[in-house]
Amino acid sequence: AQSVAQPEDQVNVAEGNPLTVKCTYSVSGNPYLFWYVQYPNRGLQFLLKYITGDNLVKGSYGFEAEFNKSQTSFHLKKPSALVSDSALYFCAVREGSDQTGANNLFFGTGTRLTVIP
Amino acid sequence: DAGITQSPRYKITETGRQVTLMCHQTWSHSYMFWYRQDLGHGLRLIYYSAAADITDKGEVPDGYVVSRSKTENFPLTLESATRSQTSVYFCASSTGFSSNEQYFGPGTRLTVT
Repeated sequence: AQSVAQPEDQVNVAEGNPLTVKCTYSVSGNPYLFWYVQYPNRGLQFLLKYITGDNLVKGSYGFEAEFNKSQTSFHLKKPSALVSDSALYFCAVREGSDQTGANNLFFGTGTRLTVIP
Repeated sequence: DAGITQSPRYKITETGRQVTLMCHQTWSHSYMFWYRQDLGHGLRLIYYSAAADITDKGEVPDGYVVSRSKTENFPLTLESATRSQTSVYFCASSTGFSSNEQYFGPGTRLTVT
């Protein structure tokens, strides 16, 4: 079974400080991992993904995430938070495959990030 | 380029009524998905479709019906709406490669009274 855990419902950080949003996952094979962001009254927007290769993945808006296989984690990070980063963040996973096929994503419950001016 | 659109954006209906939520994408993506978003649950997959005329159940399919007669459209029907189906519904699409991300529509906020 595939699953994702986001242990923090809410993360508060001061503007200019580094931020981390945590994600751990469970899959039976190799994971494909994704981060999405949701602004109020909007759909989810793709931020970044890990498929293979370098464990540090860079994405949109200055975000990055580090894949850690031994800890089954894929934490989202940003060196310097902006007020405009305040949003709901979702981690998602699927079991990796080179084949085309069912590419359902399993989402975490989301973490609300608030950046305080 | 509209991408992926959903209609209506907001809907209020009564218990027992049938309601259809529309989803349209302009990318010719083979896969389309319906999710519902509820507080404390994140996004849960209702149904998905791998291609026209091919659909399959997700995690929470009960009370919902889908069809996909054309690649670009993937309507979701609540045959007899219940209060527990009050939620925000998101449609998404992607290519057939599992390494690719999904693209989401703006959502439909449905209230069942």
